[in-house]
Amino acid sequence: QSVLTQPPSASGTPGQRVTISCSGSNSNIGSNSVNWYQQLPGTAPKFLIHSNNQRPSGVPGRFSGSKSGTSAYLAISGLQSEDEADYYCAAWDDNLNGYVFGTGTKVTVL
Amino acid sequence: EVQLAESGGGLVQPGGSLRLSCSASGFTFNDFAMHWVRQAPGKGLEFVSAIDDKGGSAFYSNSVKGRFNISRDNSKNMLFLHMGSLRTEDMAVYYCARNWHMDVWGQGTTVTVSS
Repeated sequence: QSVLTQPPSASGTPGQRVTISCSGSNSNIGSNSVNWYQQLPGTAPKFLIHSNNQRPSGVPGRFSGSKSGTSAYLAISGLQSEDEADYYCAAWDDNLNGYVFGTGTKVTVL
Repeated sequence: EVQLAESGGGLVQPGGSLRLSCSASGFTFNDFAMHWVRQAPGKGLEFVSAIDDKGGSAFYSNSVKGRFNISRDNSKNMLFLHMGSLRTEDMAVYYCARNWHMDVWGQGTTVTVSS
């Protein structure tokens, strides 16, 4: 059961900026850092953003993360065709004593 | 190269048991917490269980608590998930992932629960 809510879909044309929201509560996003994962069709998830806004080495600079209160955001600027994928946010939940994932957002490049 | 490789998936009847394994290579296994995450067909990611680097603390989702057990053998760089009392809703691809923020993932192993 997903505790973090994301829009089911987002889209843009090549070069545009797309932002995905992730809404949680005080026990998860409000208290802990947020990570983001990208899942290309038929593949395992890939680590994209950690600690709200930190990009691991190898992740393109067009991906950025932010957090405000009990919501987090993933922005993709300069959208490219290879960015077409499902994106998930995740955070530790202090009440559940486990990780919770977002519902996932499918990004389509028009 | 840092790698995780899951194995042990397969077909099991409802009520049955299965043990998944995750073999780690390319990093110091006992320095990292580890996770199991699953994905049902056509669905999103779901946290299943996590264990700290020494195996002293384990965490479970409410949906598997009391039925699944996570363990690790640091001498063999292996992570395990013992799954019991399996239900149809446990059918999924099971991934192991490294570190508290899940920075490296395996390719997954498929568990099918059906009579």
